[in-house]
Amino acid sequence: SQKIEQNSEALNIQEGKTATLTCNYTNYSPAYLQWYRQDPGRGPVFLLLIRENEKEKRKERLKVTFDTTLKQSLFHITASQPADSATYLCALDITYNNNDMRFGAGTRLTVKP
Amino acid sequence: EADIYQTPRYLVIGTGKKITLECSQTMGHDKMYWYQQDPGMELHLIHYSYGVNSTEKGDLSSESTVSRIRTEHFPLTLESARPSHTSQYLCASSVVTGELFFGEGSRLTVL
Repeated sequence: SQKIEQNSEALNIQEGKTATLTCNYTNYSPAYLQWYRQDPGRGPVFLLLIRENEKEKRKERLKVTFDTTLKQSLFHITASQPADSATYLCALDITYNNNDMRFGAGTRLTVKP
Repeated sequence: EADIYQTPRYLVIGTGKKITLECSQTMGHDKMYWYQQDPGMELHLIHYSYGVNSTEKGDLSSESTVSRIRTEHFPLTLESARPSHTSQYLCASSVVTGELFFGEGSRLTVL
């Protein structure tokens, strides 16, 4: 069956540390993968998109890797801050370049001061 | 900032009522989506549209219906609301390949 799994429901880290979130998928061959941030009661906000031919993408303190062999993406937040506390969602394009996006359940990140 | 708007933000209604959740975007995006999300749970795609006069059902079976008569407008309708329809409904739009822009959501409670 097709699945998108994010490594844990919740992750707690200390301010200043690097947060690493994992997204694994099975039985999909996405052309690209996206990461979103969602705050309670709000709609998700797009963070990064990485294509299948890209190994790594960076944006300020964010870094995403994409390994199509392992069927895994890692999402890193360096020098984390309490304001980074939110739920982070990965999403896959499941119909190859048609933007039919399916979401994982998300990982709730808490950064403690 | 994304220009996609959902109304109402909150709605509490009784069983059996007909409701329409409105979604409008001013970005000229062809593709639009409706996702359903229960608190703390994942988003489930219930409907999407590739453009005017195009509507498709998503993965999660839903008793709701949608229409796409204008590019900017993608309303969702429940003919007869039930308590099982209580949830948050999120509308989004996108270019063909790229980021999704989400509205703030409509939180529906059916008593």
